[in-house]
Amino acid sequence: EDQVTQSPEALRLQEGESSSLNCSYTVSGLRGLFWYRQDPGKGPEFLFTLYSAGEEKEKERLKATLTKKESFLHITAPKPEDSATYLCAVQLNRDDKIIFGKGTRLHILP
Amino acid sequence: EAGVAQSPRYKIIEKRQSVAFWCNPISGHATLYWYQQILGQGPKLLIQFQNNGVVDDSQLPKDRFSAERLKGVDSTLKIQPAKLEDSAVYLCASSLRSNSGGAYEQYFGPGTRLTVT
Repeated sequence: EDQVTQSPEALRLQEGESSSLNCSYTVSGLRGLFWYRQDPGKGPEFLFTLYSAGEEKEKERLKATLTKKESFLHITAPKPEDSATYLCAVQLNRDDKIIFGKGTRLHILP
Repeated sequence: EAGVAQSPRYKIIEKRQSVAFWCNPISGHATLYWYQQILGQGPKLLIQFQNNGVVDDSQLPKDRFSAERLKGVDSTLKIQPAKLEDSAVYLCASSLRSNSGGAYEQYFGPGTRLTVT
């Protein structure tokens, strides 16, 4: 069964304390992996697309990486405004189906 | 560029009543998605349209949910009759074509928060 699992469920960090969020996936064929940010009361906002193992993408304090089994979202020196839920999603090769993980709730303390 | 528009933003109904949600995608986006997001969960795909044809509705509870996308642009999602467990946020998203060999990111609307009492 195709599955996407995100960990941890929730993470509290002090401002400036770097960490990583994990997205592990078990799918029959990966077309792409997406990272989104979701603020309370809003729809998810696109961050990155990764296509193949070894690929990396960066945006401000965020860097996403991809291996054959998992993706990491590294956050460097986070600020309180980085507090949000981060969602990972995969798109399957065989039928274009998109499967979301449950997300990681990130809280950055000032 | 205008984003994905959804209405209403909030809706409260009693169980067994019906409700409809509306979505206007980003201009030029051929693919439209409806998701259900229960509090604390990731979005769950209900239905995916490519232009005005259905690509995937395998997780749509067809006994009570229906959706249409007329003329390949706007879309409506209807629930009739509603149950307590339908309380959730209903998200609409759009993207460029999803079956051309590429993986296209989705752009989401603000969602409609439905409460069934």
